[in-house]
Amino acid sequence: SQQGEEDPQALSIQEGENATMNCSYKTSINNLQWYRQNSGRGLVHLILIRSNEREKHSGRLRVTLDTSKKSSSLLITASRAADTASYFCATVRSNQGGKLIFGQGTELSVKP
Amino acid sequence: EAQVTQNPRYLITVTGKKLTVTCSQNMNHEYMSWYRQDPGLGLRQIYYSMNVEVTDKGDVPEGYKVSRKEKRNFPLILESPSPNQTSLYFCASSLADGYTFGSGTRLTVV
Repeated sequence: SQQGEEDPQALSIQEGENATMNCSYKTSINNLQWYRQNSGRGLVHLILIRSNEREKHSGRLRVTLDTSKKSSSLLITASRAADTASYFCATVRSNQGGKLIFGQGTELSVKP
Repeated sequence: EAQVTQNPRYLITVTGKKLTVTCSQNMNHEYMSWYRQDPGLGLRQIYYSMNVEVTDKGDVPEGYKVSRKEKRNFPLILESPSPNQTSLYFCASSLADGYTFGSGTRLTVV
């Protein structure tokens, strides 16, 4: 069963704007990860945030985690056309070893 | 280059004809997993392996088999494929944090 729910399902913005995607989950987690998938291709790991962390940065990416609300957000700043892709959050549950459970994803379209 | 290699990338087969999708990783990862991706259903785990000779069912294991005889390889076997196994398949491996995914295998069963 899917753990995470992404919001929105689709997002269309202009180049240079910021894109924010949200993810909610249901159970206790060890960590939460964000992945990117270009159409029909493999997923690429973007960033991981642990349950005891609240915010993490990597280049133009900023991830926040609120374990009390069981939610996370991914912010992409100064978006580029090359950021067009689907973005997935995935959680590793506390009691299930390394099993990664994915949300349904957000389709991001960045228009030049 | 650290990577997960899946083969083939594309496969069209007929119902009932046994097939194997290979997966190999060069990162000495202990954990490997297979997922299928379907529109509207997202990514669902088929099988996973915590280490050599240790495999376990994921969320949708029916109709699939796996083996883990050596650390680098984790083949996915469809003994008698059916049209409902038409999907995009991904192999992934992980050491501790973050998965590395293969490029995917698009399987069509007619």
